[in-house]
Order: sequence, then structure tokens, then C-alpha cells
Amino acid sequence: DGGITQSPKYLFRKEGQNVTLSCEQNLNHDAMYWYRQDPGQGLRLIYYSQIVNDFQKGDIAEGYSVSREKKESFPLTVTSAQKNPTAFYLCASSIAGISFFGPGTRLTVL
Amino acid sequence: SQQGEEDPQALSIQEGENATMNCSYKTSINNLQWYRQNSGRGLVHLILIRSNEREKHSGRLRVTLDTSKKSSSLLITASRAADTASYFCATDAVRGSARQLTFGSGTQLTVLP
Repeated sequence: DGGITQSPKYLFRKEGQNVTLSCEQNLNHDAMYWYRQDPGQGLRLIYYSQIVNDFQKGDIAEGYSVSREKKESFPLTVTSAQKNPTAFYLCASSIAGISFFGPGTRLTVL
Repeated sequence: SQQGEEDPQALSIQEGENATMNCSYKTSINNLQWYRQNSGRGLVHLILIRSNEREKHSGRLRVTLDTSKKSSSLLITASRAADTASYFCATDAVRGSARQLTFGSGTQLTVLP
């Protein structure tokens, strides 16, 4: 899992609540990414950031928000507007086109 | 969007056999990468092949790339039980204003002892 940490490992949310997933890296990478993975499927890009204070929507950004105030940190907020948030969330950073992934957070909506 | 599509979706082999997984994609790419994911964990980068390369080796891994057919294959030789995992291809291409990786749906490899 390299120098990327994600917390918590498991997260349970009641419907209507916002939750924030943490992602921290000590690899000094500029680019960071959030992906969503559903059972038996590949990764879908939610948001990405190429530099501090800048981020762009990916393919499935609706119902999610991010911030990039520090190079090391790229938190993801799953808002109540995300209708089907139960999934495995993966954060990554990259350099020279190669991505390094965190261990993931499994979010379950109760 | 899932640009890369892997085939087969699942593969079960005996230890010592070779495992071959295929990936097809749709648009021009800078490079193609293969990643491995153990159950419930993050992905780990295995190998990268550039668009001007045709074959690349790394240990027991061999990757081929055919840009005319927009396809790649990953061969794992002399497989071990520890190779059991999901394997994903990812295409590196410019989408919008930035380079992005687009992942396929993966091949679940099971190596039986």
C-alpha cells in the first residue's frame, strides 16, 4: 500500500448523513485520485487533483465533494445526495503515470 | 467509462501452470498498465508498457501490446497459490485536460495448490 493511508477501514453511515473519508500520502506526489469500486467491477474515477488547491470531476462525481488544501491530503466527502454510496473507496497518488493505492475504505449505508 | 475490458472474467488454474489474461481498449493510449488487487485491498502496480513497445518482461510476468488491435495480454508463468488475486489493465490517456488511468473490470485469477 506504499505511503498512502486511508481511514477508517470500515465506515457505516445512516441515510441522509454526510461522511468524510480520509486519504493521506507521504510520497510527495502532486496528483491524487479517488475511485469507487463496486463488487466484481473495476474502478471508476470520482475526483482527481493534479496540484494543491485544484481538483477536477471524474466520471461519477455527483454526490461527492473533495478538497485539496495540502499536498499530503485529499479527503472525500460522500454527501446525502449520493443515492447509492455503499462501495469500496480507493485513494491513489501518482508519479510518472504510475499510481500508488491506499488500502481502501469500505462504506456501508445502513 | 470502462475503456479496458478484460477477458476472461474469471480463470482457475493449477499451481505451476501459466495464466493468460487479455485486455481490449478503445482509444489511443500513452501506455497500458497492469495492476493486481488482493481481496479487500488496494491495487498494486505490476508493469507498464508504452505505446511504442510490443513486449515487456518482469520476473514471471510477460506483457504484450498490439496497438493496431488495441489489445494487451498479461502472462504469468509458473503460477503460485500466492498469485490468486484480481488483475486489472489500465489505459493511460489524455481525457479532457489531464492524463487519466481508465481501468477495466478485471480478471479474477484463482491458483489451486
